[in-house]
Amino acid sequence: AQSVTQPDIHITVSEGASLELRCNYSYGATPYLFWYVQSPGQGLQLLLKYFSGDTLVQGIKGFEAEFKRSQSSFNLRKPSVHWSDAAEYFCAVASSNFGNEKLTFGTGTRLTIIP
Amino acid sequence: EPEVTQTPSHQVTQMGQEVILRCVPISNHLYFYWYRQILGQKVEFLVSFYNNEISEKSEIFDDQFSVERPDGSNFTLKIRSTKLEDSAMYFCASKGFNTEAFFGQGTRLTVV
Repeated sequence: AQSVTQPDIHITVSEGASLELRCNYSYGATPYLFWYVQSPGQGLQLLLKYFSGDTLVQGIKGFEAEFKRSQSSFNLRKPSVHWSDAAEYFCAVASSNFGNEKLTFGTGTRLTIIP
Repeated sequence: EPEVTQTPSHQVTQMGQEVILRCVPISNHLYFYWYRQILGQKVEFLVSFYNNEISEKSEIFDDQFSVERPDGSNFTLKIRSTKLEDSAMYFCASKGFNTEAFFGQGTRLTVV
């Protein structure tokens, strides 16, 4: 069965500082990986996804993530955070993107931005 | 930009009552889902739906739960007799053949 671990429950960074949110997955074959963001009172918005190819993927809002098969990781990064990035971030894995495959989510990382 | 719409945004119900959560998926999508998020916990898969039938369901999705796509646009989740532990945010999602899943804003269900 697939699973996702997000080891950091809560991270606080200063505005303008760099950010890295960790995600480790468990899946026997090539995973399909996603990062979603949930702002307060909002639904889940897709930041970026990895299916195959270049292991460094770019997403919206200046985020990027790197797939490292040897470490079973898909960490999310941003060089300089903005106050509007304060939100909950979820890493998710699926066995495919074709058809009706479900997503398995991690427990999420809450990001707080301080001035 | 097309979006998934959920109603209501917040519902309060008494324990033992039936509730229906409603969703309007993106119009050309084929696959529909319900997920839930208990406060402070992770988002959990409940059920997936395709071609007018359930494709997969989790252990959470017991006989108290049912889903329906009564017409060409709506996708509903019914909880027959709510329990306190059903209190959660419920997310509807829809997906095309080779697209990511698009999520609605969620319905916060509070059972009292």
